[in-house]
Amino acid sequence: AQSVAQPEDQVNVAEGNPLTVKCTYSVSGNPYLFWYVQYPNRGLQFLLKYITGDNLVKGSYGFEAEFNKSQTSFHLKKPSALVSDSALYFCAVRDQTSNTGKLIFGQGTTLQVKP
Amino acid sequence: DGGITQSPKYLFRKEGQNVTLSCEQNLNHDAMYWYRQDPGQGLRLIYYSQIVNDFQKGDIAEGYSVSREKKESFPLTVTSAQKNPTAFYLCASSPRDRSSNQPQHFGDGTRLSIL
Repeated sequence: AQSVAQPEDQVNVAEGNPLTVKCTYSVSGNPYLFWYVQYPNRGLQFLLKYITGDNLVKGSYGFEAEFNKSQTSFHLKKPSALVSDSALYFCAVRDQTSNTGKLIFGQGTTLQVKP
Repeated sequence: DGGITQSPKYLFRKEGQNVTLSCEQNLNHDAMYWYRQDPGQGLRLIYYSQIVNDFQKGDIAEGYSVSREKKESFPLTVTSAQKNPTAFYLCASSPRDRSSNQPQHFGDGTRLSIL
């Protein structure tokens, strides 16, 4: 079965420190992977995606993600966290069983950046 | 600016009542989606539509209905059969492309509560 796991419910980092939000996936075939961010009472905003090519993907607001096929991971990273990065982060993978744009989401990780 | 508009932002449902959530997009996207978000559970797909006059059930369609009479509109009705409707509902859209690697764009959600 296809799935996405975000093993940490919450990640706490100090402002200025690097951050990592973890994501692992399980799909058959080549994965299409996405990261989204959600601020309170708002919709999801697209950050970045991995389709093919370079394993290090750069996205919006200084975020990047590293695709690791052997570990089936797609961790979100940022070299220097900002207080304004505090939000809920979702990893998602495209449903490979249908020829549609359906996404399978992880449960989300709350990032708390403290001043 | 192109985007997705969901209304109302807050909605209250009485016992035995059907309520309809509106979703309108001006992105010229063919595909549209409805998700339900509960705390700690990520996003779960209710219904999706790849093209006008066609839609499919997602993972949790029971107690919900949709229509897709126009490309830009995908309203969701929460029926009285849905016994636990309290949640945050998100509408999304994406281009319909064969490679299915385009990100979904999200509205800002409707928060539904029981009176």
